[in-house]
Amino acid sequence: GAVVSQHPSRVICKSGTSVKIECRSLDFQATTMFWYRQFPKQSLMLMATSNEGSKATYEQGVEKDKFLINHASLTLSTLTVTSAHPEDSSFYICSASGTPENSPLHFGNGTRLTVT
Amino acid sequence: QKEVEQDPGPLSVPEGAIVSLNCTYSNSAFQYFMWYRQYSRKGPELLMYTYSSGNKEDGRFTAQVDKSSKYISLFIRDSQPSDSATYLCAMSPAGTASKLTFGTGTRLQVTL
Repeated sequence: GAVVSQHPSRVICKSGTSVKIECRSLDFQATTMFWYRQFPKQSLMLMATSNEGSKATYEQGVEKDKFLINHASLTLSTLTVTSAHPEDSSFYICSASGTPENSPLHFGNGTRLTVT
Repeated sequence: QKEVEQDPGPLSVPEGAIVSLNCTYSNSAFQYFMWYRQYSRKGPELLMYTYSSGNKEDGRFTAQVDKSSKYISLFIRDSQPSDSATYLCAMSPAGTASKLTFGTGTRLQVTL
């Protein structure tokens, strides 16, 4: 079945540094990718929607200058957390949608970010 | 009020029991309903999805949607210890591949 690969699975960084998370669709072309954040014992909260070749659409309350999203190809989207702070520590998960249209979303295995 | 409400549990059942997991929602525009299973430190895995009201069965899993009550359910028959995970409901007005609204998830523990 469709596979979405997310890397790294865990990252620890110091406050003030930037971290890049990659999301790849391995066996299908992902026209749309979604980035979610999940705090412990809470639901997945959508951060942004990215379409290949265009700017991402951010959800209300999500700082686009802090969470930079790039979707430069049909198989790769990246999320960069800039100037990370401890409150950015969370579980970040990407999902991808491809063809046929309206195929259910497939999720990556997530990235656990810890900012010290 | 959250758009999607789900009891976080934990729910503990003995092996072989029938498990009932539920979500309620407030947005009448939701048309697509999904159930995901999430193991610890992993991404969600799609179990089932349904469109509009009705039932859908897949092996030991049955999904039900009652749009008139804004209530959806997932039943697991003959539960196994490997079913122990967090179960998330998700909904969308515009398709299974579009922006989803998730419940908080119910943590299920199936004991031997």
